[in-house]
Amino acid sequence: GNSVTQMEGPVTLSEEAFLTINCTYTATGYPSLFWYVQYPGEGLQLLLKATKADDKGSNKGFEATYRKETTSFHLEKGSVQVSDSAVYFCALNNDMRFGAGTRLTVKP
Amino acid sequence: DVKVTQSSRYLVKRTGEKVFLECVQDMDHENMFWYRQDPGLGLRLIYFSYDVKMKEKGDIPEGYSVSREKKERFSLILESASTNQTSMYLCASSSPGQAMNTEAFFGQGTRLTVV
Repeated sequence: GNSVTQMEGPVTLSEEAFLTINCTYTATGYPSLFWYVQYPGEGLQLLLKATKADDKGSNKGFEATYRKETTSFHLEKGSVQVSDSAVYFCALNNDMRFGAGTRLTVKP
Repeated sequence: DVKVTQSSRYLVKRTGEKVFLECVQDMDHENMFWYRQDPGLGLRLIYFSYDVKMKEKGDIPEGYSVSREKKERFSLILESASTNQTSMYLCASSSPGQAMNTEAFFGQGTRLTVV
């Protein structure tokens, strides 16, 4: 069946550090891949998405590239800010399954 | 602005009570979903619905049921609440057609405590 595996957290970084959160997937067919973010006390919201192989999704300085050969969709940001502190979820939208989530804390 | 609204942010219920969690969306979406979110376990899909009066079991349906009488409303029912159902419950909706490529919109969540 379909599944998503995210790197385990929590992740703690200093402001302006480089961020990578790994995500790999197992799926039949050609799913779209998504990153959602959940800020404290809120529901999830879409951060970025990619709908086919080699697509790069980007938003708010975050990027992720759909790599079919490695079945991965790693989230990256070159310089994190305190306001990026949140929980990040990788997801397949062909059946609405989510990864376990990675909590990111950015310290000043 | 698109919106998914869950009826309560916080709820405290007693063991054995029948509990209704309501979710309403104003985007005319066909697809609606219920998840629970627990520390270390991420989001787990309880039930989903692709149309009115239609429902499908997710990964953890035991102890829950759902109702979809109208397109905009998807209710989660805890038939007899138990303490292990204390959790954050999230509702989401999305559109079909090329739904596999569309984003899901989430409500703010309902934090349910069963005592």
